[in-house]
Amino acid sequence: DQQVKQNSPSLSVQEGRISILNCDYTNSMFDYFLWYKKYPAEGPTFLISISSIKDKNEDGRFTVFLNKSAKHLSLHIVPSQPGDSAVYFCAAVLGGNNDMRFGAGTRLTVKP
Amino acid sequence: KAGVTQTPRYLIKTRGQQVTLSCSPISGHRSVSWYQQTPGQGLQFLFEYFSETQRNKGNFPGRFSGRQFSNSRSEMNVSTLELGDSALYLCASSFLTGALNTEAFFGQGTRLTVV
Repeated sequence: DQQVKQNSPSLSVQEGRISILNCDYTNSMFDYFLWYKKYPAEGPTFLISISSIKDKNEDGRFTVFLNKSAKHLSLHIVPSQPGDSAVYFCAAVLGGNNDMRFGAGTRLTVKP
Repeated sequence: KAGVTQTPRYLIKTRGQQVTLSCSPISGHRSVSWYQQTPGQGLQFLFEYFSETQRNKGNFPGRFSGRQFSNSRSEMNVSTLELGDSALYLCASSFLTGALNTEAFFGQGTRLTVV
């Protein structure tokens, strides 16, 4: 039961350009969304989050957009840097617990 | 402060055996969640413990169990191992449980291989 989907397994962008990672979800009861970045041989690290009462949250080069009507969120990285190359997971949470539902991940490669 | 520590990092077991994985959360964190990561299924939630009580459980068979101790350290046990249990098992800790505190910190994981 994939309630959170990342349909692009991989994405390649040029250094300095924008990276856009997409995520769709099916459960309209999700009220909090997060993005995690994962390097090989390391656990995921928290990147940025957004509450369902907002439609945008920005933190430096990272911006997350939430479109509740479309059940879609995206992560924008501007400008992209080679160090951003990693697997990015989006996750969604139902209020009241720490049960995060993750997407399958998108492998981002930023080319110098 | 020290991060989330998972031991062992790597483990090889044979089918039918059981295995216990350990997770020490960040000092002061009371919530520990366990996830299974496989190439085909991504990250899947196993269960969450908070103050020694299981609060949530994912859709895994009863062979997967866990517990949490008074110092918040948690163990996860898998009995009667199957080849499909080969995965990276990740532990995440957070200070609280609930929607207001969902920034979880992950350990490096335990890579379990079942042969």
